[in-house]
Amino acid sequence: GIQVEQSPPDLILQEGANSTLRCNFSDSVNNLQWFHQNPWGQLINLFYIPSGTKQNGRLSATTVATERYSLLYISSSQTTDSGVYFCAVEDYNTDKLIFGTGTRLQVFP
Amino acid sequence: DAMVIQNPRYQVTQFGKPVTLSCSQTLNHNVMYWYQQKSSQAPKLLFHYYDKDFNNEADTPDNFQSRRPNTSFCFLDIRSPGLGDAAMYLCATSRGGTEETQYFGPGTRLLVL
Repeated sequence: GIQVEQSPPDLILQEGANSTLRCNFSDSVNNLQWFHQNPWGQLINLFYIPSGTKQNGRLSATTVATERYSLLYISSSQTTDSGVYFCAVEDYNTDKLIFGTGTRLQVFP
Repeated sequence: DAMVIQNPRYQVTQFGKPVTLSCSQTLNHNVMYWYQQKSSQAPKLLFHYYDKDFNNEADTPDNFQSRRPNTSFCFLDIRSPGLGDAAMYLCATSRGGTEETQYFGPGTRLLVL
């Protein structure tokens, strides 16, 4: 089955810093989503981005489907950005969402 | 304007005592999913319903079952919870088909004593 790897696994930042999270996937996908899982466990949709670039406030994402990776940029990080960031890809063959390994982000004041 | 609602948010049960978790949605989506997420792991799909068609993942234990009585509601039944079933259970919905965003509920955290 399709493999989804995220890096780095852990990231510690001071408030105001910028960061880039990476998601690599091993095969063609129908779509790609980025999620933020907050400390209470809720998965919040950040982007639906099978290809191209999107921006939403301090967050932006870029997916290069032909090279099988996606990047999530967080600028001017805030303590509320803390949590785990997952990318998830829709397997081309099964239409199921396959989650990556996650990046745990901690932002300190 | 909650879209995917899960109740309860926290559930404590005893070893072997059946428990039911519920999920409802106001999006009128065709597909409802149940995921299990253990500590420090990614969510793992247990099963999903496309309308009334039930699709079980091959590695989902027989101890887990699901019901979808109508479009809006879906239930997860754990017949005999073991200690290893303690986890966060996440419900999600989508319109169905390819290239569709999944929307997740807040989850139910299950503790087995």
